[in-house]
Amino acid sequence: LAKTTQPISMDSYEGQEVNITCSHNNIATNDYITWYQQFPSQGPRFIIQGYKTKVTNEVASLFIPADRKSSTLSLPRVSLSDTAVYYCLVGDWEAAGNKLTFGGGTRVLVKP
Amino acid sequence: DAGVIQSPRHEVTEMGQEVTLRCKPISGHDYLFWYRQTMMRGLELLIYFNNNVPIDDSGMPEDRFSAKMPNASFSTLKIQPSEPRDSAVYFCASSRTGEDEAFFGQGTRLTVV
Repeated sequence: LAKTTQPISMDSYEGQEVNITCSHNNIATNDYITWYQQFPSQGPRFIIQGYKTKVTNEVASLFIPADRKSSTLSLPRVSLSDTAVYYCLVGDWEAAGNKLTFGGGTRVLVKP
Repeated sequence: DAGVIQSPRHEVTEMGQEVTLRCKPISGHDYLFWYRQTMMRGLELLIYFNNNVPIDDSGMPEDRFSAKMPNASFSTLKIQPSEPRDSAVYFCASSRTGEDEAFFGQGTRLTVV
């Protein structure tokens, strides 16, 4: 599985946009990029998944450049409740049977 | 659906005792995963099943750990004998297919004293 690197922590303020970049230089052709969110004392929760270009849902946007060696999770207008740890995962779901390997994650703190 | 259900939510046991953690996946989900989370090591995938069959148990730390899935609606993770270093939060997750998102339970916080 491709190794991922993301910042350990980020601070932001309510109403701002938060962008978290994940590096995955060794991403393979069949690899997808998935982001999960984890609140304290809860299990991780799926946010978004993509393969290339841009994906958007009601929660976030995921930007993937053409070379796919990195990806950026964008959280628009964050609130205090968005304080959580955000994990970037890269994996070949078909070959590896949906093997979800979590890295260290990025701890996002939203301040009032 | 109530989501992935784990029991117990908290478990405190003495070193050397057997511990059994339980998981009920979401109905219709073919994949089931067991994870362990600690401050030092983060989230570690221990084992996962596809259609009740263990596919990859390379993350199971040692022979003291075992997992079973006797049917599509139930799985157990057993530690025998337990040790203080097994103290962690254990999560169970399930997904419908290999490509779909995984849904996690609330976790079991295990403390071995």
